[in-house]
Amino acid sequence: DTEVTQTPKHLVMGMTNKKSLKCEQHMGHRAMYWYKQKAKKPPELMFVYSYEKLSINESVPSRFSPECPNSSLLNLHLHALQPEDSALYLCASSQAKPNYGYTFGSGTRLTVV
Amino acid sequence: AQSVTQLDSHVSVSEGTPVLLRCNYSSSYSPSLFWYVQHPNKGLQLLLKYTSAATLVKGINGFEAEFKKSETSFHLTKPSAHMSDAAEYFCVVSDGNKLVFGAGTILRVKS
Repeated sequence: DTEVTQTPKHLVMGMTNKKSLKCEQHMGHRAMYWYKQKAKKPPELMFVYSYEKLSINESVPSRFSPECPNSSLLNLHLHALQPEDSALYLCASSQAKPNYGYTFGSGTRLTVV
Repeated sequence: AQSVTQLDSHVSVSEGTPVLLRCNYSSSYSPSLFWYVQHPNKGLQLLLKYTSAATLVKGINGFEAEFKKSETSFHLTKPSAHMSDAAEYFCVVSDGNKLVFGAGTILRVKS
């Protein structure tokens, strides 16, 4: 298995909703990442998990809450989002160090209404 | 700090002609460099990577890139463009903890 699987592919949520994005990989990668990508922009790093521990938080607002239940799963919990949070959310994984590149999922297209 | 600069925000070529997407990097040590492609409304796919082995790197779909330390460049090329190559391309460098993306180059292929 050489894929990163993200669910759902599309999500529409209201500003008072709570939802979660899910990411799964079975490549034995020990680092996992959340990126946010706005239209016509490069991906922006949000969080890095290394060996299931949060190692980098790029000053992301607390309405985004990551979770890594085990080495194969990564969640992003969403609460009280704003319309400007609408974006493509990408999950990626890599070996412990990213020097050989990431494998990206196909993303979740999030719309906040 | 590691960084990359993609010199063109848009490139337009005719089908069957060569493709050149330019990237310069800044790194305090021997970098790991990558090119990723993103088709509309899709995730990112790794085209190729340089990790200090051969300086000419061959990737998928006929793409290749040459690492030139003296010019701090890692340009992406393809001899003959295909319509399916129309996409956005990102030059990326690893800083050891995460990947750092360039601003992207949108490639348009005209029939």
